[in-house]
Amino acid sequence: NAGVTQTPKFQVLKTGQSMTLQCAQDMNHNSMYWYRQDPGMGLRLIYYSASEGTTDKGEVPNGYNVSRLNKREFSLRLESAAPSQTSVYFCASSEALKAWGNNQPQHFGDGTRLSIL
Amino acid sequence: AQSVTQPDIHITVSEGASLELRCNYSYGATPYLFWYVQSPGQGLQLLLKYFSGDTLVQGIKGFEAEFKRSQSSFNLRKPSVHWSDAAEYFCAVGPFGNEKLTFGTGTRLTIIP
Repeated sequence: NAGVTQTPKFQVLKTGQSMTLQCAQDMNHNSMYWYRQDPGMGLRLIYYSASEGTTDKGEVPNGYNVSRLNKREFSLRLESAAPSQTSVYFCASSEALKAWGNNQPQHFGDGTRLSIL
Repeated sequence: AQSVTQPDIHITVSEGASLELRCNYSYGATPYLFWYVQSPGQGLQLLLKYFSGDTLVQGIKGFEAEFKRSQSSFNLRKPSVHWSDAAEYFCAVGPFGNEKLTFGTGTRLTIIP
């Protein structure tokens, strides 16, 4: 049982290049998330998908696009990479709310370490 | 808007000593609270969660946390730490009925022999 799988694990880009980060989960979860983690800032939500075909902006969406390809996969795209996007990116997934108020915990991948020169 | 504060950026504890990591939240209604642990080079792993009911919550790896509404706190505790507990710890809050989490900035825990 792989859980949440992110590819690639490491990537170096030049400013202006484009890149798609891939994420897949095998837990049949409805909800998926993309975060970035920067030193001293914790995790910040970039985009969120409550179900296949739906996406919603998080706290820091500028410079990113997402695609919820199917229930398993949720990709994050940088169209024109900038040095400010150097970060560690985490994908997460969770079950849908089973009952009103019963928030489900999120399960995380191991991250993609992205450097933009 | 919801927010989470982890006042301690870095804590050093001797192996076998007790541990308390602080977490304060700001949210206008009933919060949903989580503690996650991140080992170097890894993703985040859920330690425990609080939704309602008993304010003392037990988690994995011998951790527990106590919800104190009057203090807007959800502190993480462990009676006796092990070297393998060295990691970064994140507190997170989610609003009622919503899956979007807000994370604190984390506390890095170092264990000394």
